[in-house]
Amino acid sequence: NAGVTQTPKFQVLKTGQSMTLQCAQDMNHEYMSWYRQDPGMGLRLIHYSVGAGITDQGEVPNGYNVSRSTTEDFPLRLLSAAPSQTSVYFCASSRMVSGNQPQHFGDGTRLSIL
Amino acid sequence: QQQVKQSPQSLIVQKGGISIINCAYENTAFDYFPWYQQFPGKGPALLIAIRPDVSEKKEGRFTISFNKSAKQFSLHIMDSQPGDSATYFCAASPNQAGTALIFGKGTTLSVSS
Repeated sequence: NAGVTQTPKFQVLKTGQSMTLQCAQDMNHEYMSWYRQDPGMGLRLIHYSVGAGITDQGEVPNGYNVSRSTTEDFPLRLLSAAPSQTSVYFCASSRMVSGNQPQHFGDGTRLSIL
Repeated sequence: QQQVKQSPQSLIVQKGGISIINCAYENTAFDYFPWYQQFPGKGPALLIAIRPDVSEKKEGRFTISFNKSAKQFSLHIMDSQPGDSATYFCAASPNQAGTALIFGKGTTLSVSS
């Protein structure tokens, strides 16, 4: 049981390049989300999904796209990377039952935009 | 507008001491208050959580105290150990499936031996 798996662990991009951060979970969780973590800023929600085919924006969605074609996978796409997107990105998942459930986080992708 | 305010930003405690981290929230719709622990190079992991129908919840050396009227909650780590050195995040959300957690900015705890 791997939990939430994020790939790659590290990535360096040039400004203007695009890339996809991968997130997969094997717990059959309906709810998945992406956060970015910056020093002194905590964890800020980028996008989230309550099930396959359903996504919505979080606090800081600009510059990022998501899709949810399967329950297991929730990729995050940077369309045209900017230095302001240098951050550590975390994917999380949880069950969708009444009331809040523990969020299970991956170990993050550390992204640098030059 | 910061919905969950966390303090202090950093904390140094001696081994065996009590670590206290405080959070305050503004949204009265918040109904679920978890604390997450994060070690360097790892993702956050749920440590302990409380709902506002109780004023305190204890799990081992970790205790959440909750004051609904003041809209504040805190994490107490008793007998702090070097292995507790980590970043701690408080969070809040409405008690509704599928709603996003709003995180505080985090507290970096260092426990000196």
